[in-house]
Amino acid sequence: DTGVSQDPRHKITKRGQNVTFRCDPISEHNRLYWYRQTLGQGPEFLTYFQNEAQLEKSRLLSDRFSAERPKGSFSTLEIQRTEQGDSAMYLCASSPPSGSVDTGELFFGEGSRLTVL
Amino acid sequence: AQKITQTQPGMFVQEKEAVTLDCTYDTSDPSYGLFWYKQPSSGEMIFLIYQGSYDQQNATEGRYSLNFQKARKSANLVISASQLGDSAMYFCAMSPHYNAGNMLTFGGGTRLMVKP
Repeated sequence: DTGVSQDPRHKITKRGQNVTFRCDPISEHNRLYWYRQTLGQGPEFLTYFQNEAQLEKSRLLSDRFSAERPKGSFSTLEIQRTEQGDSAMYLCASSPPSGSVDTGELFFGEGSRLTVL
Repeated sequence: AQKITQTQPGMFVQEKEAVTLDCTYDTSDPSYGLFWYKQPSSGEMIFLIYQGSYDQQNATEGRYSLNFQKARKSANLVISASQLGDSAMYFCAMSPHYNAGNMLTFGGGTRLMVKP
């Protein structure tokens, strides 16, 4: 049973460049989440997909950020015109359909660490 | 809006002793879920324990138990018989629904260090 996988694990880029992160959730999970975690802080919710539909977006997700999940499987998070403040760990999580588990636990990947120089 | 507060930035505990990590929360919703996650240095968030707002009993999972005091809006994590592998960041989190982990709001975390 493979867990949530994220790629790349580390990305160093120059300010102004675009970057894209990919997340592959656990195969039977229809819900997918993106979180951002800066150093020394807890993760902050960015966006949520149920199947291919993006149902929730945080105000943290500025217009430079876009997330997609075109076929309801993997998801991509793109950041355009990166800024130094975008440096963070980007965490992806997935969960099974509502009602099929007791707790609504999220299963997290190991994250993609972005450093913007 | 939901808010989670963890007032202990760092904690030390002697191996084999018990430790309590504090968590208080704020919400106006009657239905919510409370979670604890562990984040080792590898970065992955590991689910530990869950408590629903309507659950009468405190949740337990092996060496982890959640001391849920609804009136005080606290959800402290108790780790019994600490092990060296318990050294990590611990995050308390809240979901807006009783039975769904959607859109968790996390606290700032507590770094636990277990001394041999």
